[in-house]
Amino acid sequence: QITLKESGPTLVKPTQTLTLTCTLSGFSLRTTGVGVGWIRQPPGKALEWLALIYWDDDKRYSPSLKNRLTITKDTSKNQVVLTMTNMDPVDTATYYCAHRPDLGAFDVWGQGTMVIVSS
Amino acid sequence: QSVLTQPPSASGTPGQRVTISCSGSNSNIGINYIFWYQQLPGTAPKLLIQKNNQRPSGVPDRFSGSKSGTSASLAISGLRSEDEADYYCAAWDDSLSGQHWVFGGGTKLTVL
Repeated sequence: QITLKESGPTLVKPTQTLTLTCTLSGFSLRTTGVGVGWIRQPPGKALEWLALIYWDDDKRYSPSLKNRLTITKDTSKNQVVLTMTNMDPVDTATYYCAHRPDLGAFDVWGQGTMVIVSS
Repeated sequence: QSVLTQPPSASGTPGQRVTISCSGSNSNIGINYIFWYQQLPGTAPKLLIQKNNQRPSGVPDRFSGSKSGTSASLAISGLRSEDEADYYCAAWDDSLSGQHWVFGGGTKLTVL
């Protein structure tokens, strides 16, 4: 059974860097074609895709946020880490990580972690 | 402003058939699969339709998807109260700004 769980700070201050960890279970990022993505959702608003990392370490980023995002993986720990620099109150959102199977879309999502940006 | 355009709301009565549209462009829906998600209040999105019209295991056949050109639709037949949720379309986008996923702005479905 594939599961993902997000972890990280609930509260960050403006201009700080956010670091979120996604812990994977039931699958490996060594498997050809597999990826893990990050998606966020501000309160009451739509989903916004942020980043995706593939089994071969290829990476994709949202064009509007790519200058602020870094996605990495640690296959030995079964973790994917997303960092976002220069946090702003508009970045307040629930952040989800999700499993992406080969040639598919995000089919299994974590429960999400709420991040509030406030001084 | 989302890259994929959805109506903000839709509604229907129990038993009715409702459709939700998703409009994109030649860089996303026009050349790639469309996917649909259902998000119940307070929960993570759930994959409802994959690769234009395929239902993942466990999704009732009341849900169906279609695509034509740069637009797509999600249809829900035999509407039930538990279908009240937000629905999002998503697609891979191959544009000059790079390859990336795009989501629609979401449609809130109300069962009257």
